[in-house]
Amino acid sequence: DVKVTQSSRYLVKRTGEKVFLECVQDMDHENMFWYRQDPGLGLRLIYFSYDVKMKEKGDIPEGYSVSREKKERFSLILESASTNQTSMYLCASRTTGGNSPLHFGNGTRLTVT
Amino acid sequence: QQQVKQSPQSLIVQKGGISIINCAYENTAFDYFPWYQQFPGKGPALLIAIRPDVSEKKEGRFTISFNKSAKQFSLHIMDSQPGDSATYFCAAKFSASKLTFGTGTRLQVTL
Repeated sequence: DVKVTQSSRYLVKRTGEKVFLECVQDMDHENMFWYRQDPGLGLRLIYFSYDVKMKEKGDIPEGYSVSREKKERFSLILESASTNQTSMYLCASRTTGGNSPLHFGNGTRLTVT
Repeated sequence: QQQVKQSPQSLIVQKGGISIINCAYENTAFDYFPWYQQFPGKGPALLIAIRPDVSEKKEGRFTISFNKSAKQFSLHIMDSQPGDSATYFCAAKFSASKLTFGTGTRLQVTL
């Protein structure tokens, strides 16, 4: 069974802090993704990565960056957290090719005060 | 620009009833339409998916109906159960593109 693990379930940070959200998958998937989930807005893609050290912007990359130094780990970085980044953050992974499904972690609820 | 529109935003159905969630898309290049199910405190998980060369796909109590000409697809949950209470997301993609998700429907099945 694929497991996508997000390091924190809940996180509270102050405005202006640098925030790291960590995600690890155990199935050797090439592709990894970061989404944010907000009520009424669904799942919006922030960044994704097709391979180690590769990254591409999603639909809402502003205020975020990512790092993928190892295949199994994909980090989301909020350079200077703001209150409008309070949200649920979901990491996902999938294997390359066809329509293989996304496997999601259980999310990190980030509150920026 | 929202490419996949989902309705309703929330839905309450009695146990044993039929739950219906609708999605409409704009991009005719989309060729894969999955539905994801998310329980509280969990990440979404693939429930069922369809390609546009068929008009219907059924897996147990869950059925996707697809109308290519209308650019619409829907999820039907027959004999809805309290355990089906979750948030449902439709999605669409083409070739190597990334998934575009709908805004989600929160389903509550009452006793």
